[in-house]
Amino acid sequence: EAGVVQSPRYKIIEKKQPVAFWCNPISGHNTLYWYRQNLGQGPELLIRYENEEAVDDSQLPKDRFSAERLKGVDSTLKIQPAELGDSAVYLCASSSHGGKPGANVLTFGAGSRLTVL
Amino acid sequence: AQSVTQLGSHVSVSEGALVLLRCNYSSSVPPYLFWYVQYPNQGLQLLLKYTSAATLVKGINGFEAEFKKSETSFHLTKPSAHMSDAAEYFCATYSGGYQKVTFGTGTKLQVIP
Repeated sequence: EAGVVQSPRYKIIEKKQPVAFWCNPISGHNTLYWYRQNLGQGPELLIRYENEEAVDDSQLPKDRFSAERLKGVDSTLKIQPAELGDSAVYLCASSSHGGKPGANVLTFGAGSRLTVL
Repeated sequence: AQSVTQLGSHVSVSEGALVLLRCNYSSSVPPYLFWYVQYPNQGLQLLLKYTSAATLVKGINGFEAEFKKSETSFHLTKPSAHMSDAAEYFCATYSGGYQKVTFGTGTKLQVIP
C-alpha cells in the first residue's frame, strides 16, 4: 500500500503568490486531516474532514486558506496569497477509527515544505 | 481541553545509554495518549499508544512508555539508544473528541556515537 501521498514535497514561492498542496489518503480512510508544522513545533490542526464534510476548520485562516475534499477521497489545501509567516511543513494525515476511543491512529504523509520569500 | 506538555526540546544521549523523553498530560478524564516519531524530512509515525488496557505499553523499535496517573505522566523510554533513534518525538492526546489529535511541541533526540 502506498500510504498517504502528498505533493509537492517542496515549494518555494514569493509572497503574495498562490500555492496548492495535494493529498491522497489511504484507501478506505474516511477521516482526513491537514496539519501545519512550524519549525521546532508540533503539528497544529488546520482542518479535519469526515468524508467530504469539513467538520473542524476552526484553526484554518479562512481569509487566505481554503481546502476541499471532493468525493471524499483526495484533498487540496490552497493558500492565496501566501505570506512570509506561512513558511512551514504542511502535513496530511488520514485515519479510519470507527468511532472507537483509542482506535484513532493517524497515518501521515511525508509533508509539503513551503518556503515563502 | 486535554493537552500534553513535553519537557525538554532537545535531549542528547550516548549510543547505548538509556533514553528518557518526558511527557505530562492534563486531563479530567482518563486520557488516551500516543507517542509519534518523526525522522528528518518524513511524516510522523506511531510508536505506541495508551488506551487504558495496561499501564506499561510497548511499542516499535524497542521503545516503551509507562502511564502514571499519580504523576500525570507518560514518559517514553528505551534501555539502549541506537544511532537510528535520532529523530524528533511527539507526545499526543485527543482533545475535544476522539477525532481531534493534539500534539506536544516535540523533543529532538540526538544520539552521540
